[in-house]
Amino acid sequence: AQTVTQSQPEMSVQEAETVTLSCTYDTSESDYYLFWYKQPPSRQMILVIRQEAYKQQNATENRFSVNFQKAAKSFSLKISDSQLGDAAMYFCAYKPGTYKYIFGTGTRLKVLA
Amino acid sequence: DVKVTQSSRYLVKRTGEKVFLECVQDMDHENMFWYRQDPGLGLRLIYFSYDVKMKEKGDIPEGYSVSREKKERFSLILESASTNQTSMYLCASISPTDSNQPQHFGDGTRLSIL
Repeated sequence: AQTVTQSQPEMSVQEAETVTLSCTYDTSESDYYLFWYKQPPSRQMILVIRQEAYKQQNATENRFSVNFQKAAKSFSLKISDSQLGDAAMYFCAYKPGTYKYIFGTGTRLKVLA
Repeated sequence: DVKVTQSSRYLVKRTGEKVFLECVQDMDHENMFWYRQDPGLGLRLIYFSYDVKMKEKGDIPEGYSVSREKKERFSLILESASTNQTSMYLCASISPTDSNQPQHFGDGTRLSIL
């Protein structure tokens, strides 16, 4: 079965510091997409960053970057220079070539001033 | 920008009632989704629709049905609401040609069944 595991239910980080959220997934597919979504307290889920499995280069979006290890089936999110506005639930999601998206259970990130 | 609108942010209903949750998107997307979000369980797919009047069951369809009479509107129906259906419900949409694109989500409906 295809599953996504986020082993950290909650994480804390000091403002301006760096934090890494972990995500592992289980699949037999070779081509797929991976996403990190952010859900702030206002609740609308928004995209943080995406990665195509066929690309070896790790995706980067400003202060957000991923460490994609295809062989290990690992897709961690690094947030640099953390800001108060980064506080949210973060969901990792896996999408094979079909319509279906499979989400992890989420990590709640707290940013301490 | 894509807009996915869910009709209610908060809803309180009674056990046994028939409940309708509405979702409308403005980007002519073929694919629409209904998820349920519970603490510690993440997002679980209830139903998926890939075209008007077309639907597929997701991982937890029991106790739910859906309706897609128009392309822009996807409704989730709780036939006879029960307390274990108290949850946050999220609607999402995407074009099937955008395989590497994220889904676009609505704000969510927090439903309480008393």
